[in-house]
Amino acid sequence: EAGVTQSPTHLIKTRGQQVTLRCSPISGHTSVYWYQQALGLGLQFLLWYDEGEERNRGNFPPRFSGRQFPNYSSELNVNALELEDSALYLCASSLGSNQPQHFGDGTRLSIL
Amino acid sequence: GNSVTQMEGPVTLSEEAFLTINCTYTATGYPSLFWYVQYPGEGLQLLLKATKADDKGSNKGFEATYRKETTSFHLEKGSVQVSDSAVYFCALRGTGTASKLTFGTGTRLQVTL
Repeated sequence: EAGVTQSPTHLIKTRGQQVTLRCSPISGHTSVYWYQQALGLGLQFLLWYDEGEERNRGNFPPRFSGRQFPNYSSELNVNALELEDSALYLCASSLGSNQPQHFGDGTRLSIL
Repeated sequence: GNSVTQMEGPVTLSEEAFLTINCTYTATGYPSLFWYVQYPGEGLQLLLKATKADDKGSNKGFEATYRKETTSFHLEKGSVQVSDSAVYFCALRGTGTASKLTFGTGTRLQVTL
C-alpha cells in the first residue's frame, strides 16, 4: 500500500512569491492534515480537510490556504512568502477524524 | 488549551542500554496519545498509540502506558540499537471535533556502539 506522497520534495523561492505544495493521501483516507515544522518552533498544525471541506485551521495568517479535491488529494498554497515560512511542510492522512494520522516525507521549502 | 511536554534532548545512550523518554500532557477530557519517530530527512512515522487510560501501546520493542493519574505517556525500550537513533515526538489528539495533533518539541536520541 502506497503511503502519503508529497511533491515537490524541495523548493526554493524568494520573498513575495507564491507556492503550491501537493499531497496525495493513502488510498481510502478521506482526512488530510497539513503541519509546519520550522526550526525552533516544532510541529505546528496548519489545516485539516475532510470530505472536501476545511474542518479546522491553526493559528496561521490567511495567506496560508488550501483545498481538498474530490479524489481527497490536497494542495497547500502560501502567498506573499516571507523568510519565516522556511520550513518542512508535512502532510498527513487518516481514515477518519478519530483514526491515527500517517505522514508523508514532507516538502522542504526554503525562502531566500 | 492542549499541550505536551517532553524531556529535553539530546539523549545519548550506548547500544543495549535502557531508554526512557518522558512525556506529560495537559488536556481536557480523554485525549488519545501517540509517539511518532522521525529519521533524518524523512517525515514522521507512527510508532505507537493509546486511546484510553491504562492502555499500553507497543511496537518494535518500544512501549508506553497511558497514565491518566499522572497525565503521562513515557516511552520505554529495554535495549536500544544504533538504528533507533532518531527524533521522537509525543503527541495528543484532543476530544471533540478538532482532530489536530498537538506535539511535544521532540527528543533526539543518539545511540552509539
